[in-house]
Amino acid sequence: RKEVEQDPGPFNVPEGATVAFNCTYSNSASQSFFWYRQDCRKEPKLLMSVYSSGNEDGRFTAQLNRASQYISLLIRDSKLSDSATYLCVVNYRDSSYKLIFGSGTRLLVRP
Amino acid sequence: EAGVAQSPRYKIIEKRQSVAFWCNPISGHATLYWYQQILGQGPKLLIQFQNNGVVDDSQLPKDRFSAERLKGVDSTLKIQPAKLEDSAVYLCASSLGRGSINEKLFFGSGTQLSVL
Repeated sequence: RKEVEQDPGPFNVPEGATVAFNCTYSNSASQSFFWYRQDCRKEPKLLMSVYSSGNEDGRFTAQLNRASQYISLLIRDSKLSDSATYLCVVNYRDSSYKLIFGSGTRLLVRP
Repeated sequence: EAGVAQSPRYKIIEKRQSVAFWCNPISGHATLYWYQQILGQGPKLLIQFQNNGVVDDSQLPKDRFSAERLKGVDSTLKIQPAKLEDSAVYLCASSLGRGSINEKLFFGSGTQLSVL
């Protein structure tokens, strides 16, 4: 089983739609969680951290469910510019902090 | 503020040749990471440095890959000899390295390696 699993997609949605991605992780000792965004042929960039209480940043809402070991990202009112790959990232402490990336979920927003 | 600098941007080599990548992290960032990202996959950590010491190199294929971070600043990643399956984007990232569980990574633009 992969440490961090994501549906690869692509999710193809019209502008203005609401879309949600889930991510599951296997290590119950995971301590922090993030969503990174990666545009085609570009480097990943931090989109938002994910907190236990859930957090919102504009049109983006992230949720964490520790009991079920999954993280979600909700995008409301999708824009063409939201088209990208969304990487789920999990951080846990072994001998050092280890950041494990999922394979990403691809989102395509069409006009 | 200057970001993470990497060079070269692209590299094409034949199998069994050698190649080296260079990374200059954000000033003041103690932790430096090298990731390998194969097309369609997420980044996979190859090696992590804290200042000039190796913190994690458990996924580095040590028979062909080597990395160093002299003086705790710049880093180089070398592959010798290269195999076809090494074709990937090699991403360097850095972070403050203060041991926070919310450590945020800043990535360079990457080096796209094609092994023919």
